[in-house]
Parts: sequence; structure tokens; C-alpha cells
Amino acid sequence: GEDVEQSLFLSVREGDSSVINCTYTDSSSTYLYWYKQEPGAGLQLLTYIFSNMDMKQDQRLTVLLNKKDKHLSLRIADTQTGDSAIYFCAENGNDYKLSFGAGTTVTVRA
Amino acid sequence: DAGVIQSPRHEVTEMGQEVTLRCKPISGHNSLFWYRQTMMRGLELLIYFNNNVPIDDSGMPEDRFSAKMPNASFSTLKIQPSEPRDSAVYFCASRRDLGTEAFFGQGTRLTVV
Repeated sequence: GEDVEQSLFLSVREGDSSVINCTYTDSSSTYLYWYKQEPGAGLQLLTYIFSNMDMKQDQRLTVLLNKKDKHLSLRIADTQTGDSAIYFCAENGNDYKLSFGAGTTVTVRA
Repeated sequence: DAGVIQSPRHEVTEMGQEVTLRCKPISGHNSLFWYRQTMMRGLELLIYFNNNVPIDDSGMPEDRFSAKMPNASFSTLKIQPSEPRDSAVYFCASRRDLGTEAFFGQGTRLTVV
């Protein structure tokens, strides 16, 4: 979606960290999300962050939010082959709208 | 709960035919979303409902597309007449409240020949 932008592709070596970046436009966004899509499946929620937070850590996942720049990132530590998927950033505006970016295809190479 | 259920999973139709995609949201969820996913455009929000009322249909590409939600447990997305450029995967998602997790169906892969 045009409201949320993210890079399209990321290639990372197994065991390294992956960082996926996203920018959004709605300054009133209350929640920001990261979803994961595996081949042939729907999207599943990975993690989310509330707009009054700067950082959230959940096991291998770290979400950083820069509200001033409207920039969101997802870091995956110790990336594994099972992390290969498409990752979507999404923002939630006050009008119930849930808008997604185009998705970043992450390829993990041995 | 069985999750968000979409039908059919796959649909192949000829150009000009009417296509109806169906979605059953999770019971108790108040919001329902229809998305379209293509390689070129990524995941596009077509329309969303809150308490069965359409809130924003600005993402619906043309008048050929229409969506309804006659009750809290059922929604349809109709394309009439269908065109080859409508070929995509169409996802339905639902969630309980503003800010909560949206759950996605498995999608309907539509091919218009």
C-alpha cells in the first residue's frame, strides 16, 4: 500500500541478523505490526508495538520505532532457514483501517 | 475456533464471468477486511467493514468490484464482469477490536483466463 513502504528483497546468511525497514505515513497510528507470510499461506502476526514505545523485544525479534521519522524496523537475530518468508509491516490508523506495505521477501542462504 | 474461512480456495473462470468470493470471519470479531495480493502491487486493502458497515471502500479498483456483509458471520466480494487483470490472491481478515491482531484466511487464488 502507498501508505506504508518497505524494501522488497533481503538476502541474509544463516546465523546472521536480518533487519527489515519500513516507513509509514499516518502519524495517528496507534499500533504498528509485523506479519509473516509463508508460501501458499495467509499472513500471521509476528509481533506488534504500541506507538508510545520505542522498542520491543520478543525472543529473537526486536522491533524499533522512531515515531518522529515514522520509521519501523524488525531485527531477527540468528536468522534460520525457517525465517525465509515475506514480512509485512502494517499500520493501524484511528479509523480502523489496517494498511500493509508491499512486503519484504527474506531469503536465508546457507 | 476454525479461524477465518474463505471459499473457494482456488477459482478459475473465463473473462466476463461473475466471480463471488466468500468469507466467514472469526466469531465475535467486529472488523472484516478484504485484501488483494499480486506480485506487482503487493497487498492492497480493498474494503473494510466495522460492525457489518463498510467504512472505507476507496481501495476497490472499479465498479466491477462490490462487497457486502449482510451479517456478522458472512461477507462476499463480487467481481462482475471479471477480467484477466483481476487474477490475484484475495485475502479476508478479521479482528475483534481496533488495535488487536488481525487473523487472515488462507486466501482465494483467482485466475481469470
